[in-house]
Amino acid sequence: GAVVSQHPSWVICKSGTSVKIECRSLDFQATTMFWYRQFPKQSLMLMATSNEGSKATYEQGVEKDKFLINHASLTLSTLTVTSAHPEDSSFYICSASSSGTGGAYGYTFGSGTRLTVV
Amino acid sequence: AQSVTQLGSHVSVSEGALVLLRCNYSSSVPPYLFWYVQYPNQGLQLLLKYTTGATLVKGINGFEAEFKKSETSFHLTKPSAHMSDAAEYFCAVSTGGGNKLTFGTGTQLKVEL
Repeated sequence: GAVVSQHPSWVICKSGTSVKIECRSLDFQATTMFWYRQFPKQSLMLMATSNEGSKATYEQGVEKDKFLINHASLTLSTLTVTSAHPEDSSFYICSASSSGTGGAYGYTFGSGTRLTVV
Repeated sequence: AQSVTQLGSHVSVSEGALVLLRCNYSSSVPPYLFWYVQYPNQGLQLLLKYTTGATLVKGINGFEAEFKKSETSFHLTKPSAHMSDAAEYFCAVSTGGGNKLTFGTGTQLKVEL
């Protein structure tokens, strides 16, 4: 079945530094990838949608200069949290779908990245 | 516009009892509906989905859900709860393959002996 690998699983960084999170579709081509943020005991909040080779579309209220998303290939998307601050600490999850088969794959999710900014 | 409402943020059942998690949706076009399960500090695992066709959908681990258009519902059921079913469950809706998912607020299922 469809598999999405997200790396790293957890990361601790110092305030002011940048962190990159990778999301790879291992056995299918992901034309669209989604990045979510999840606070403790809460639902997933969509941050942005990225299509391969295009600029990401950010949801209202999400700072595009702070959360840089790159989707340079059909199997890799990255989220970079720039100049991280403690309030950016959260659980970040990526999801991938394939054009025309999104329903079939059901939006495969990565295992998430726990970011802690100290 | 699309939205999902999950009634009951916490549901507690006895092991072996029926599990019923409620989900109502709102969508301006025929919806694609999903149920996901999440264990602590993990991503989401697809339990089942409805896109078109048969309205009773069977998923993994004995779960099933029925799409009822007249009631705009997609409730998740399992005849007999197991301790391993304790987790967070999310209902989600999209307007088509590749389009963004909108999630409900989640239901924490607790299974007691």
